[in-house]
Amino acid sequence: DADVTQTPRNRITKTGKRIMLECSQTKGHDRMYWYRQDPGLGLRLIYYSFDVKDINKGEISDGYSVSRQAQAKFSLSLESAIPNQTALYFCATSDARFYRGEQFFGPGTRLTVL
Amino acid sequence: DQQVKQNSPSLSVQEGRISILNCDYTNSMFDYFLWYKKYPAEGPTFLISISSIKDKNEDGRFTVFLNKSAKHLSLHIVPSQPGDSAVYFCAAPSGGGADGLTFGKGTHLIIQP
Repeated sequence: DADVTQTPRNRITKTGKRIMLECSQTKGHDRMYWYRQDPGLGLRLIYYSFDVKDINKGEISDGYSVSRQAQAKFSLSLESAIPNQTALYFCATSDARFYRGEQFFGPGTRLTVL
Repeated sequence: DQQVKQNSPSLSVQEGRISILNCDYTNSMFDYFLWYKKYPAEGPTFLISISSIKDKNEDGRFTVFLNKSAKHLSLHIVPSQPGDSAVYFCAAPSGGGADGLTFGKGTHLIIQP
């Protein structure tokens, strides 16, 4: 089984709808992240969390919110989806015990907002 | 303003030859760099990293070189194999109190048989 899973893998929705993307991990890591990737661009950080109930904004947090109710789960919500939020979304985890440790990524969720 | 730049969107290399992927950065405070590899329909996977106190790090066929004065790093793959065909991202810790990574736009490496 994959260490970092994301659901759904693909989602098509309409402008104005509320959408939640889920991320679960079995690595036991305390740090979790959400990134988005647009065509021809690198990944950009949306939000990150160091522990349960800890939430921090990343580079592009506007229009998004997150929830970290358990160490293994980090969900990303789009309160009112808009077309320019069409992108590939990745969840990642890292182990805080390792300074500058690598991040482990999920397989991604492809979101299309019509 | 892009802090991590990969100026070559794609690179084609013959199987068995050396692949050299380049990355430039603007933030001299970056103290650590990572390379990630990404296949279609998968998340990025960590490949190799280098600390700013070093100028070279090697792991099997993969070597990363860091030139701090030029703010430049490169990833060398020798010999290149068909399975190396993927998108390669250069990344650095975002810093400024923020956790997370700052990524370049990626280079699509194509290994020709």
